[in-house]
Amino acid sequence: GAVVSQHPSWVICKSGTSVKIECRSLDFQATTMFWYRQFPKQSLMLMATSNEGSKATYEQGVEKDKFLINHASLTLSTLTVTSAHPEDSSFYICSASRRTGGTGEAFFGQGTRLTVV
Amino acid sequence: DAKTTQPPSMDCAEGRAANLPCNHSTISGNEYVYWYRQIHSQGPQYIIHGLKNNETNEMASLIITEDRKSSTLILPHATLRDTAVYYCIVRESDSWGKLQFGAGTQVVVTP
Repeated sequence: GAVVSQHPSWVICKSGTSVKIECRSLDFQATTMFWYRQFPKQSLMLMATSNEGSKATYEQGVEKDKFLINHASLTLSTLTVTSAHPEDSSFYICSASRRTGGTGEAFFGQGTRLTVV
Repeated sequence: DAKTTQPPSMDCAEGRAANLPCNHSTISGNEYVYWYRQIHSQGPQYIIHGLKNNETNEMASLIITEDRKSSTLILPHATLRDTAVYYCIVRESDSWGKLQFGAGTQVVVTP
């Protein structure tokens, strides 16, 4: 299967600071990447769709000014949590699909554990 | 909104086949059935997907009923490493890679 890598795997930041999470497709090009958030003992919740070269599409209830998404190349999307607060502490996961070939299956990164103190 | 219904939990004996059911009674003709699993504190792992026909790969088999309203994921010989949350997801053919997760089934494989 295709490889998607996230960095960092975990991060601790102070309340009020911003944190950037990177998502890379290592062996394929991804026109579209997706960002999810998962709270303890809950399922993954889709936050936004990241489109290469254009603005991200956010799911209802997700603050676009708080969760900044940039998809500058076909292999890299970044999620920046701005002015983080303890309630933003969560497991953030990205996914990507092949631009060509494949049959629409998404491949996921290993996730980033964010803790805001 | 998730379009699938799965039992919240299942236990399975190591070495035995695990049969995971999923109901998707409102599935439409252009929607695929995908299965993923998530081992604790990791990103989801793709298992298998299908449209109408039964599918098999090195990880599992997917059995889709003729009316497509339900499916079963079969892990032929469960191991302890198969303990995970298994998600059955219905995806439209034109929403490439976009997945809406439901609650899934927590599968625990016991020795």
